[in-house]
Amino acid sequence: DQQVKQNSPSLSVQEGRISILNCDYTNSMFDYFLWYKKYPAEGPTFLISISSIKDKNEDGRFTVFLNKSAKHLSLHIVPSQPGDSAVYFCAASASFGNEKLTFGTGTRLTIIP
Amino acid sequence: DSGVTQTPKHLITATGQRVTLRCSPRSGDLSVYWYQQSLDQGLQFLIQYYNGEERAKGNILERFSAQQFPDLHSELNLSSLELGDSALYFCASSPGADEQFFGPGTRLTVL
Repeated sequence: DQQVKQNSPSLSVQEGRISILNCDYTNSMFDYFLWYKKYPAEGPTFLISISSIKDKNEDGRFTVFLNKSAKHLSLHIVPSQPGDSAVYFCAASASFGNEKLTFGTGTRLTIIP
Repeated sequence: DSGVTQTPKHLITATGQRVTLRCSPRSGDLSVYWYQQSLDQGLQFLIQYYNGEERAKGNILERFSAQQFPDLHSELNLSSLELGDSALYFCASSPGADEQFFGPGTRLTVL
């Protein structure tokens, strides 16, 4: 049972435009959400997170939105840059910090110059 | 560089064999996590250790075991290997705060 779902395996976006990556979850116990970015032959790198008490968190070009009622979160990247091309994983945990992460299957983002 | 190291980088072995994957966490991090990523799949949580003790268990097979040593490094032991065990194995460490820092992974190929 996939508790964290990323339904788009891939996404292509023109450089300079907005990239929107989506993630849905089913477990209502999840209260902390993270996005990781992964380049080939490297481990995932933490990008941005949000706790369930917030609906938005922003860090530079990256913004994560959380819609608890819809059990949906999204990552916005504005403006998109060629270096953003990577696989993005959404992850969730059932308590704040120091607990196992449940990952989605990832979305491969390609930024077209 | 996340500060988490994993060895070896690549491992090729035969079915039925046993291998050990090693992870050194970031300095000061007490928690170590192991994840498995099979082809085109997300990362599947296997097990977590905190300061030498098992803290949480995920979808870890009985053929797999792990431990965390007094110096906080961790080892994941995989035995009676099957073709389906071929995957990337990631180790992550955490200071107990919000995010986990991942190592570069060990690619295991079982022939």
